[in-house]
Amino acid sequence: QVQLVESGGGVVQPGRSRRLSCTDSGFTFSSYAVHWVRQAPGKGLEWVAVISNDGSKKSYADSVKGRFTISRDNSKNTLYLQMNSLTPADTAVYYCARDLNPRDLATFLNWGAWFDPWGQGTLVIVSS
Amino acid sequence: DIVMTQSPDSLAVSLGERATINCRSSQTVLYSSNNKNYLAWYQQKPGQPPKLLIYWASTRGSGVPDRFSGSGSGTDFTLTISSLQAEDVAVYFCQQYYTASVTFGPGTKVDIK
Repeated sequence: QVQLVESGGGVVQPGRSRRLSCTDSGFTFSSYAVHWVRQAPGKGLEWVAVISNDGSKKSYADSVKGRFTISRDNSKNTLYLQMNSLTPADTAVYYCARDLNPRDLATFLNWGAWFDPWGQGTLVIVSS
Repeated sequence: DIVMTQSPDSLAVSLGERATINCRSSQTVLYSSNNKNYLAWYQQKPGQPPKLLIYWASTRGSGVPDRFSGSGSGTDFTLTISSLQAEDVAVYFCQQYYTASVTFGPGTKVDIK
């Protein structure tokens, strides 16, 4: 049973930082790229960031570029999202999701992917 | 970024009837070199994460019932639920992965009439 579990959400003040984690169980974590996708309350889905299986390739949405950093520790089967300079617009449920589009590292950032599975999500509320 | 739109915003269908959801991309998501459409569909029920239904525009995900089917090419796509079941009440999203900055449609809510 493949399962991703996010943690680290909560209430954070504007301008502050937060780190989210996503831990996998049930599949070979180091074999797959992984993404963060967020969903503001009652809204649609917004892709946030991706990291390749070995951590060498990363890409970010323009809305978070320069503020968020995606990373992974394959020895701990864990994905991270370091979020800095948070604003109320960052309030959302943050999901991690496995990348299922097989592609080599040379062309990794040429294409996106479909996602399966998704974690249950962790809610981040940015508010004073 | 590629902008994804969906229609209708919501629809209500009788149990056992067909439900059809449309998705359009602002530019083609068909890659001519491999003739594949970089388009996926997801189902999201309240309080749950999205669940993959379809990828490559028409390939069902693992364990997805065959009443769900995807079609279309280029910029216009359709998700069809051939015989709506009570458990299909959800919001459905399309997603393009033609670019690394993937984008999603706004969603279509499906209810029982």
